[in-house]
Amino acid sequence: DVKVTQSSRYLVKRTGEKVFLECVQDMDHENMFWYRQDPGLGLRLIYFSYDVKMKEKGDIPEGYSVSREKKERFSLILESASTNQTSMYLCASDSMNTEAFFGQGTRLTVV
Amino acid sequence: QQQVKQSPQSLIVQKGGISIINCAYENTAFDYFPWYQQFPGKGPALLIAIRPDVSEKKEGRFTISFNKSAKQFSLHIMDSQPGDSATYFCAASKGGSQGNLIFGKGTKLSVKP
Repeated sequence: DVKVTQSSRYLVKRTGEKVFLECVQDMDHENMFWYRQDPGLGLRLIYFSYDVKMKEKGDIPEGYSVSREKKERFSLILESASTNQTSMYLCASDSMNTEAFFGQGTRLTVV
Repeated sequence: QQQVKQSPQSLIVQKGGISIINCAYENTAFDYFPWYQQFPGKGPALLIAIRPDVSEKKEGRFTISFNKSAKQFSLHIMDSQPGDSATYFCAASKGGSQGNLIFGKGTKLSVKP
């Protein structure tokens, strides 16, 4: 059974904190993605990576960075969390000609 | 600029009825059009997808209709069941990875028993 695992289901952080969201996939996929999901806005791509140590900006990268040191792991970093980053964060992975698989999401609240 | 427009925002259908969700896109470079289904508390899961070289794809009760000239595609759910109640997202991507997607804003479907 294929799996994309996000380390936390729920997180509450304070404004200004540095926040790490972790994602691990067990499918040996080359590509990994971070999306945020907000009601009425759908899913929007933050960052993606096509290989270890590579990263590309998505549609809404401001305020975020990423790290991919190993093929199976992709981390999303909020350098200084703000209340407008309160959202559901979804990690996904795929490989050439395979569908994308999503994790269950991390609901982040910044107070 | 919203590249994939989805309608309606919400939809209520009686059990056994047909659910229809529509999407329109702008970028003619898009070459992969999936529909994702999401249940509360879960991540989205691929339901069905189509490429622009065919006009229709059917998998069980789910059908995608694709109109390349109109730049529109739609999801039809036949014999809708209460278990189909979920949020549905259309999406599009261009070339290569199927995970680099532009999503519509979603449609919340409720199927009444």
